[in-house]
Amino acid sequence: DGGITQSPKYLFRKEGQNVTLSCEQNLNHDAMYWYRQDPGQGLRLIYYSQIVNDFQKGDIAEGYSVSREKKESFPLTVTSAQKNPTAFYLCASTSRFDSNTIYFGEGSWLTVV
Amino acid sequence: DQQVKQNSPSLSVQEGRISILNCDYTNSMFDYFLWYKKYPAEGPTFLISISSIKDKNEDGRFTVFLNKSAKHLSLHIVPSQPGDSAVYFCAASVPGSARQLTFGSGTQLTVLP
Repeated sequence: DGGITQSPKYLFRKEGQNVTLSCEQNLNHDAMYWYRQDPGQGLRLIYYSQIVNDFQKGDIAEGYSVSREKKESFPLTVTSAQKNPTAFYLCASTSRFDSNTIYFGEGSWLTVV
Repeated sequence: DQQVKQNSPSLSVQEGRISILNCDYTNSMFDYFLWYKKYPAEGPTFLISISSIKDKNEDGRFTVFLNKSAKHLSLHIVPSQPGDSAVYFCAASVPGSARQLTFGSGTQLTVLP
């Protein structure tokens, strides 16, 4: 079945460490996105990529980095510069033929200890 | 500055009755609106959408109404079922290649048996 796979589902990180969240999709979608969800704040866009080897900052990109070396993969690195990294992270993708409908992965919980 | 607002963080409805979830927006450039449903620790799933050229879209028990002059949309669920209990996000997008969505903060719907 086609879909978006995020891993790990749960991750604990010590302060000062970088951590990378994986996102893989087999939907043949061109565009991929990373969102962060905090209680009462909805979903905020971190980074997005419309094509391979290209990506743009979203609304809250500081402290994060991404890469898009393959169409299927869009990993997100939460760096030590991110001041409040504990959150629920969602990866998503859209097709160029139906860019209005965004498909989400199951999410990854990151907790900084 | 929140461009998409869901002013009710929570809503409780009796099973079988109508649930009405509201969403207001400020950006007149938005031309496409979507509703997503989210269960805890899962990614949001697409529910229903509406283009700005319409004022109503219906899909089974779900109907979305758009009032462009008031910059307001609402999601009606009739009849409400306990399985509808979830967080509902309103989202909007502007014309453009990225089709980035702006999400509201969500409304927790609880359908009481």
